[in-house]
Amino acid sequence: GNSVTQMEGPVTLSEEAFLTINCTYTATGYPSLFWYVQYPGEGLQLLLKATKADDKGSNKGFEATYRKETTSFHLEKGSVQVSDSAVYFCALDLNDYKLSFGAGTTVTVRA
Amino acid sequence: KAGVTQTPRYLIKTRGQQVTLSCSPISGHRSVSWYQQTPGQGLQFLFEYFSETQRNKGNFPGRFSGRQFSNSRSEMNVSTLELGDSALYLCASSLGGREPQHFGDGTRLSIL
Repeated sequence: GNSVTQMEGPVTLSEEAFLTINCTYTATGYPSLFWYVQYPGEGLQLLLKATKADDKGSNKGFEATYRKETTSFHLEKGSVQVSDSAVYFCALDLNDYKLSFGAGTTVTVRA
Repeated sequence: KAGVTQTPRYLIKTRGQQVTLSCSPISGHRSVSWYQQTPGQGLQFLFEYFSETQRNKGNFPGRFSGRQFSNSRSEMNVSTLELGDSALYLCASSLGGREPQHFGDGTRLSIL
């Protein structure tokens, strides 16, 4: 079946450090890929997306590139801030009217 | 533009009761999806509606049901509540197709 695997958390970083969260997927077909972020007590916010191979999604300093050859969509940010502390979810959409999510990665950024 | 609105934000029920949760999508969005979020199972898809038709359903028992109205607003119902139904229930709306889903802040359901 279709699935998303994210790196295990939690991840703890210092401010201005480089962040990478690995995400790989298994899918029959050509999914759209997303990163969502969830802050405490809130729902999910769309962070970025990519709809086809080699697309790069970017937003708020975060980037992720759709790699079909490695079935990956790793999230990166060059210099994190305390305000980036949240749970990050990788997700795929196979145009079957639902999102399949990874388990989520908790990121804590210390001042 | 108003986002996805879910009501109520918090609910406390006892086992055996039933509950109805409401979701108002972003204006113009005709697709509404529901997800259950728990610490143990993560985010799991419940069902999706488009123009009042259910197009997909996740692996949940028949106690979980939903519907969508002609104005795209949606409700989900859980009957005969069990302790394991305690969760954050998230609603998302989209334009449909491959357009991204936009989420509300959820309804936190606690079963005593």
